[in-house]
Amino acid sequence: AQSVAQPEDQVNVAEGNPLTVKCTYSVSGNPYLFWYVQYPNRGLQFLLKYITGDNLVKGSYGFEAEFNKSQTSFHLKKPSALVSDSALYFCAVRDLQGGKLIFGQGTELSVKP
Amino acid sequence: DSGVTQTPKHLITATGQRVTLRCSPRSGDLSVYWYQQSLDQGLQFLIQYYNGEERAKGNILERFSAQQFPDLHSELNLSSLELGDSALYFCASSVVPTTNNEQFFGPGTRLTVL
Repeated sequence: AQSVAQPEDQVNVAEGNPLTVKCTYSVSGNPYLFWYVQYPNRGLQFLLKYITGDNLVKGSYGFEAEFNKSQTSFHLKKPSALVSDSALYFCAVRDLQGGKLIFGQGTELSVKP
Repeated sequence: DSGVTQTPKHLITATGQRVTLRCSPRSGDLSVYWYQQSLDQGLQFLIQYYNGEERAKGNILERFSAQQFPDLHSELNLSSLELGDSALYFCASSVVPTTNNEQFFGPGTRLTVL
């Protein structure tokens, strides 16, 4: 069965510092990985995806993610955090049958001025 | 704005009642997915439709049903509601259900069962 895990419930970062939100995956076959962000009382917004190719994927709002096959990880990163980045972040893997997204439990990112 | 619309935004109802949640996918998207977000279960896939046909089922209760209409909008019907059904229900859409297509999420319907 495919799954993703986000080992941290919460990440606290000072504004201007780099941030990392961790995600590890377990799949049989090639992984199709996604990051979404959820702001309070809003739906999920797509940030970026890894399908194949370069291990460093660039996405929206200055976010990027690094795919590491040997460590089965897909960590979300940003060089310089903004207060407005504070939100709930979800890592997800796409079901190989082309259907559902399987989500991690989410990581609450808090960026303080 | 993702282009996916959901109505209503909020729904408050009593146990035992039945409600219908509506979703309109992005223009051109043929596949619709329903997810439930709750504090204890997280984000869970419920059901998927593609071009009017049910394609996949997840952890959807027998009291819940859904359909996708010829104009591609979808409805999720929840009946005999229980307190535990209180959650945020999201609809998402994608062009076609292949593994490299991202899904675009609507703003959700917050259901409160009293």
